[in-house]
Amino acid sequence: EVQLVESGGGLVQPGGSLRLSCAASGFTVSSNYMSWVRQAPGKGLEWVSVIYSGGSTYYADSVKGRFTISRDNSKNTLYLQMNSLRAEDTAVYYCARDRRVAAAGTWDYYMDVWGKGTTVTVSS
Amino acid sequence: EIVLTQSPGTLSLSPGERATLSCRASQSVSSSYLAWYQQKPGQAPRLLIYGASSRATGIPDRFSGSGSGTDFTLTISRLEPEDFAVYYCQQYGSSPRVTFGGGTKVEIK
Repeated sequence: EVQLVESGGGLVQPGGSLRLSCAASGFTVSSNYMSWVRQAPGKGLEWVSVIYSGGSTYYADSVKGRFTISRDNSKNTLYLQMNSLRAEDTAVYYCARDRRVAAAGTWDYYMDVWGKGTTVTVSS
Repeated sequence: EIVLTQSPGTLSLSPGERATLSCRASQSVSSSYLAWYQQKPGQAPRLLIYGASSRATGIPDRFSGSGSGTDFTLTISRLEPEDFAVYYCQQYGSSPRVTFGGGTKVEIK
């Protein structure tokens, strides 16, 4: 079964750090694009970061310089290292498989597998 | 950055009725880069539509997507009780950066 399971969330003080993990089963993380998406309480979805199968990484402006996405191929796990956390980083963080699928002369882009999320609360 | 504006913010309908949800982009987006998701309270988003009009695996045919350029639509032909949820559109036109619309809540009237 294709599945993603996040962990590592919790309560952290402003300025602190946290590392989120996303364990995959049923597919290989390193062969796919993988994204982190977050959702602040009562708000919509916000893309945070992506790591390409080739290793390139990209970030939303709101987290650039503070967050680092990475993966451990031996553990088939995706990570999000979050430093210098702010109150506005409080959210449920989801990992998602980010597909690029060839279709009729073009490529379809979408996120087809999502974890259940892990909650990060930044507060003193 | 491409901004997606969803309307209405809330749609109040009864089971069996037709729901029409709009997603408007601030610049033209390739249909290949437009997807729709459903999210229920306490759950992760679920892929419904990709490529603007292709249903994801296991999605009932009462869900359909259409549109091109800057205007896209998600239609639920006959609402079932389990369809009351929040729906988000998503675009990759500014890839690698991705944006989501603000969401439309479909609630029971």
